[in-house]
Amino acid sequence: AQKITQTQPGMFVQEKEAVTLDCTYDTSDPSYGLFWYKQPSSGEMIFLIYQGSYDQQNATEGRYSLNFQKARKSANLVISASQLGDSAMYFCAMRDRAGKSTFGDGTTLTVKP
Amino acid sequence: GAGVSQSPRYKVAKRGQDVALRCDPISGHVSLFWYQQALGQGPEFLTYFQNEAQLDKSGLPSDRFFAERPEGSVSTLKIQRTQQEDSAVYLCASSLGGQGFTEAFFGQGTRLTVV
Repeated sequence: AQKITQTQPGMFVQEKEAVTLDCTYDTSDPSYGLFWYKQPSSGEMIFLIYQGSYDQQNATEGRYSLNFQKARKSANLVISASQLGDSAMYFCAMRDRAGKSTFGDGTTLTVKP
Repeated sequence: GAGVSQSPRYKVAKRGQDVALRCDPISGHVSLFWYQQALGQGPEFLTYFQNEAQLDKSGLPSDRFFAERPEGSVSTLKIQRTQQEDSAVYLCASSLGGQGFTEAFFGQGTRLTVV
């Protein structure tokens, strides 16, 4: 069975600083995808970044980067130059080859001015 | 519209009532997913369609929950004899690929409150 663990229920960061949101995962499947989503208070889930289990390079999308450490089964999200609009809930998720996704419980990020 | 559309956005049901939640995926998207999100928690997988075929329904919590996608586009999640523990946000997502790891786009969800 797949499992995603996000150990930080809440995080604070100063505007313009970088922040790392932790995610560890567990699976016996060698092929999987790792995703991060942002969920603002409006409720929509916004895709941020994707990392494939066989990708050699860490994924980057603008201010978002994924620190993928396969041996440690971790897929931390790094947000650089935080903005007030980054305040939201962030979810780490894993998808298996059949398409089934497992989400963590999320981390609430608050950016302070 | 260009995104995933869910209706209604909000639904209040009396305990024991049947409800139907609709999802309009992005046109051409093969895969469609339903999730249940309780307050303060991450989404929990309910079921997955590839075109009209329901490939995985292992997450449906009971036989009161039923989902269909008869023509491979619009999907309906039906909950019979609703109970208070069914209160949650129901999220629908679609993705282009048949399997694997293509990006999934989410709708804004339907917030179901059972009173």
